[in-house]
Amino acid sequence: QKEVEQNSGPLSVPEGAIASLNCTYSDRGSQSFFWYRQYSGKSPELIMFIYSNGDKEDGRFTAQLNKASQYVSLLIRDSQPSDSATYLCAVNVPIGNSGYSTLTFGKGTMLLVSP
Amino acid sequence: KAGVTQTPRYLIKTRGQQVTLSCSPISGHRSVSWYQQTPGQGLQFLFEYFSETQRNKGNFPGRFSGRQFSNSRSEMNVSTLELGDSALYLCASSLGGQGRDTEAFFGQGTRLTVV
Repeated sequence: QKEVEQNSGPLSVPEGAIASLNCTYSDRGSQSFFWYRQYSGKSPELIMFIYSNGDKEDGRFTAQLNKASQYVSLLIRDSQPSDSATYLCAVNVPIGNSGYSTLTFGKGTMLLVSP
Repeated sequence: KAGVTQTPRYLIKTRGQQVTLSCSPISGHRSVSWYQQTPGQGLQFLFEYFSETQRNKGNFPGRFSGRQFSNSRSEMNVSTLELGDSALYLCASSLGGQGRDTEAFFGQGTRLTVV
């Protein structure tokens, strides 16, 4: 079973703090990793992607990838109440020897940022 | 470039009826995936279609079916509706290859209510 695991939360942080969201995956063949944000009642939207070990920064967001530990994380600096949402980790999982892969989602972590 | 379009946005159906949902992917995208989302359950993968073929399938009963047309538009059908089928149904399109080609873009969803 190819799995993506996330802590369901909620993760509560005060405004201005750093929020740290974590995700582990089971398939060592996975090469691409995505973070989606989903507001209540809305569809998920892509906010970050990362393919190489290390850090990738985009504004207040930093994605971190450690393939050896099969671990990917998302840091949100200077958290704002508008960041309150569910964050979904998605990992591409190869389909056998087909040459294709499919995107597998974790169940998401709810983030609550209090003013 | 137009995004992913799902129709209808809202549906109310009676138990025992059947329903068909439609998804038009981003132009050039050949993969369409369908997800069911209920409160607290995260994204439950239904199936993925690529070039008119079902490439991957989740763990849902046979009442849930789908198809994809030559223009990559996809439909999902649920027969003999049950109250538990009430959910937000999301469709996502991608290029459908490997790596970054699995980056998925979601439609706004169809909210189905079964009464």
